[in-house]
Amino acid sequence: DGGITQSPKYLFRKEGQNVTLSCEQNLNHDAMYWYRQDPGQGLRLIYYSQIVNDFQKGDIAEGYSVSREKKESFPLTVTSAQKNPTAFYLCASSMAQLYGYTFGSGTRLTVV
Amino acid sequence: KQEVTQIPAALSVPEGENLVLNCSFTDSAIYNLQWFRQDPGKGLTSLLLIQSSQREQTSGRLNASLDKSSGRSTLYIAASQPGDSATYLCAVTNYGGSQGNLIFGKGTKLSVKP
Repeated sequence: DGGITQSPKYLFRKEGQNVTLSCEQNLNHDAMYWYRQDPGQGLRLIYYSQIVNDFQKGDIAEGYSVSREKKESFPLTVTSAQKNPTAFYLCASSMAQLYGYTFGSGTRLTVV
Repeated sequence: KQEVTQIPAALSVPEGENLVLNCSFTDSAIYNLQWFRQDPGKGLTSLLLIQSSQREQTSGRLNASLDKSSGRSTLYIAASQPGDSATYLCAVTNYGGSQGNLIFGKGTKLSVKP
């Protein structure tokens, strides 16, 4: 079955620590996206990538970094510069605007 | 700047009732509109995708309409069931701007009582 796999499902970060969230897709989609979801605020775009080795900042990129070395993978690193990282993180992909978006099952990150 | 609004924020109905969820957007220059369902603690499941040139899409008990000129979409759920309880999100893709960026509403939380 084609889809998007996010791991881990739950992640705990200590103060000052960097953590990396994994996102892998086997849909052969060109574009991949990271969104953050907070209660009452809806989903906000962090980073997106249209092709391998290229990515763009979204609306709330500060404190985050990404890489796109392979078409299938788009990992997100939450750095210590992100002061309020506790949230639900969703990865998505699309072949083209015409076909809409597919989302993963999410990673819940909590600062301890 | 595109803004997407969903009304109501929460809705509780008895099982079997037909219901309508509303979505409005401020900029009519959209590429398409997508309705999603989200269960608590889960990812988003795509329900229906409407291209800007289309008026409606149907899937089973779900029907979504789009009126681009007035900036509105509705999601109609027929004969609601307790399993329909979830948060429903609508999102639009704009022409231009961040290529392919989905802009979301905050969702309508639906509860269907047995």
